[in-house]
Amino acid sequence: AQSVTQLDSHVSVSEGTPVLLRCNYSSSYSPSLFWYVQHPNKGLQLLLKYTSAATLVKGINGFEAEFKKSETSFHLTKPSAHMSDAAEYFCVVILPRGNNDMRFGAGTRLTVKP
Amino acid sequence: NAGVMQNPRHLVRRRGQEARLRCSPMKGHSHVYWYRQLPEEGLKFMVYLQKENIIDESGMPKERFSAEFPKEGPSILRIQQVVRGDSAAYFCASSPGGSNEAFFGQGTRLTVV
Repeated sequence: AQSVTQLDSHVSVSEGTPVLLRCNYSSSYSPSLFWYVQHPNKGLQLLLKYTSAATLVKGINGFEAEFKKSETSFHLTKPSAHMSDAAEYFCVVILPRGNNDMRFGAGTRLTVKP
Repeated sequence: NAGVMQNPRHLVRRRGQEARLRCSPMKGHSHVYWYRQLPEEGLKFMVYLQKENIIDESGMPKERFSAEFPKEGPSILRIQQVVRGDSAAYFCASSPGGSNEAFFGQGTRLTVV
């Protein structure tokens, strides 16, 4: 079975401070992992992806994520938050074998305070 | 190569009517996913289809909802006899399969009055 858990439904940071959005997955196989961002009333945009290459993945807008197999985690980070980062973030897992089901975490809403 | 196209963008239906939501995947993509997003909630998986096949419909309500992805033409999500609780944003995504990322449409916002 596969699933993805986002540990925080809401994260609030001040502008200029670091961002950490946590994601844990469970999978019997090496998964492909993604982070998507959804701004209010908009569609979803891919931030970054991990597909068994480098474990530290850099994405757009200064975000990066590190795949840690021992911890089954794929946390999203950014050194310094910007007001425009306020959005909903989704961690996604695809099981590369079998049916290629794509499953979303419940989402983390990031609020950035001035 | 156009992105994933969903139409209509906004759909208003009266209770008891049928809603048809269309999703045209990106060129070359044979995998389609449908998700529902209720107000103030995250995305909930509904159904995963490949051409002419339903692979996983475990997230789909057992009644009134159906989905198809024919050999030709868009994927259709059909909701019969809509109720107020069906009001939500419905997102479609497509991918070429494998470990490749999916691309999302802009969504269809269904309002049941």
